Amino acid sequence: DVKVTQSSRYLVKRTGEKVFLECVQDMDHENMFWYRQDPGLGLRLIYFSYDVKMKEKGDIPEGYSVSREKKERFSLILESASTNQTSMYLCASSFTSGGLSYEQYFGPGTRLTVT
Amino acid sequence: GDSVTQMEGPVTLSEEAFLTINCTYTATGYPSLFWYVQYPGEGLQLLLKATKADDKGSNKGFEATYRKETTSFHLEKGSVQVSDSAVYFCATGNTPLVFGKGTRLSVIA
Repeated sequence: DVKVTQSSRYLVKRTGEKVFLECVQDMDHENMFWYRQDPGLGLRLIYFSYDVKMKEKGDIPEGYSVSREKKERFSLILESASTNQTSMYLCASSFTSGGLSYEQYFGPGTRLTVT
Repeated sequence: GDSVTQMEGPVTLSEEAFLTINCTYTATGYPSLFWYVQYPGEGLQLLLKATKADDKGSNKGFEATYRKETTSFHLEKGSVQVSDSAVYFCATGNTPLVFGKGTRLSVIA
């Protein structure tokens, strides 16, 4: 079974702190994604990566950065956390082949609270 | 760009009732279609998928058929259980997938 793990289930940080959210997948997937999920807004894509050291902005990249130094690991960085970044963060990964769309596998999520 | 529209929730049903959650999409080409389920406090899990027109995806009693002519992928289940209470997401597109906003289902005994 594909496994996507996230470093923390719950995290509480203070305004202005630098926050790292880590995601690891064990299926050698090329693509990895970071979303945030808020009530009434559904899933919103922050960044994604289709290869090591490659990244693409999603719909809401402002206030976030990412790092992908190894194929299995994709990190989301909040350079200076703010209260409006309090949310559920979901990581996902997927396989790619011949331009076809394949299902994305999700981690359990990290509920981040910024106070 | 690609988009997904699914019915607003919440949907509340009694146990053993019939379920339909509507999903329509716009997409370039003929991408695969997916339904995901999210149980409280968890991430999204793939429920079922269909990769081409007229394909029917099925899992755990849920079904959905890829209808190219109506650009729809409605989720159905003949008899829901309390354990089906969750949020359901329709998705399509290429990489990355585009998700609907989710429909919360509550099943009461």
